[in-house]
Amino acid sequence: DSGVTQTPKHLITATGQRVTLRCSPRSGDLSVYWYQQSLDQGLQFLIQYYNGEERAKGNILERFSAQQFPDLHSELNLSSLELGDSALYFCASSDSGRLNNEQFFGPGTRLTVL
Amino acid sequence: AQSVTQPDIHITVSEGASLELRCNYSYGATPYLFWYVQSPGQGLQLLLKYFSGDTLVQGIKGFEAEFKRSQSSFNLRKPSVHWSDAAEYFCAVGAGGTSYGKLTFGQGTILTVHP
Repeated sequence: DSGVTQTPKHLITATGQRVTLRCSPRSGDLSVYWYQQSLDQGLQFLIQYYNGEERAKGNILERFSAQQFPDLHSELNLSSLELGDSALYFCASSDSGRLNNEQFFGPGTRLTVL
Repeated sequence: AQSVTQPDIHITVSEGASLELRCNYSYGATPYLFWYVQSPGQGLQLLLKYFSGDTLVQGIKGFEAEFKRSQSSFNLRKPSVHWSDAAEYFCAVGAGGTSYGKLTFGQGTILTVHP
């Protein structure tokens, strides 16, 4: 158990819908990262937050947005969902947000878009 | 932009045999390199990392990796594989220096262990 929790574990929805994925980092960690794992794209970095502020951005679609709240939990919002958005979405956390600090990964949320 | 190539999609070894998983990276500066393992239905767990110094790094579960700058490689090794090592392994390179923690992952290598 990494200490990072993600809810829900599974999510099934329809095209065009909007969903919210939630992540609670390990106690004391200030930085949260979101990754998407799909069969065709592999494991891709989406976005990083540090203490409530966006720190780095990767291949995140404009239909996707994220935020980190004062209690440090984070949410990833996916809207106008398409079939290709079906994937496993991971959240990770680290204490300082720098590369030399280990990122601890949650178990993931599996999103299925029908 | 940085990139990572794991040439082997699937590797099968017998229990007790040695293992080497290949990883090649592309990055303009000194890389931060990582190996992660993902068991079925689980998140990723860090096996080891290289930032600087000794090019042979030791990790958890008996794994080690060697950084070779001339070959742009960071291959993962284990002298004797256990059945519990069956999983998917990801090599990753970190970008951004020490200011932020973006990781770029390879496509992964699935390891099957035969008894």
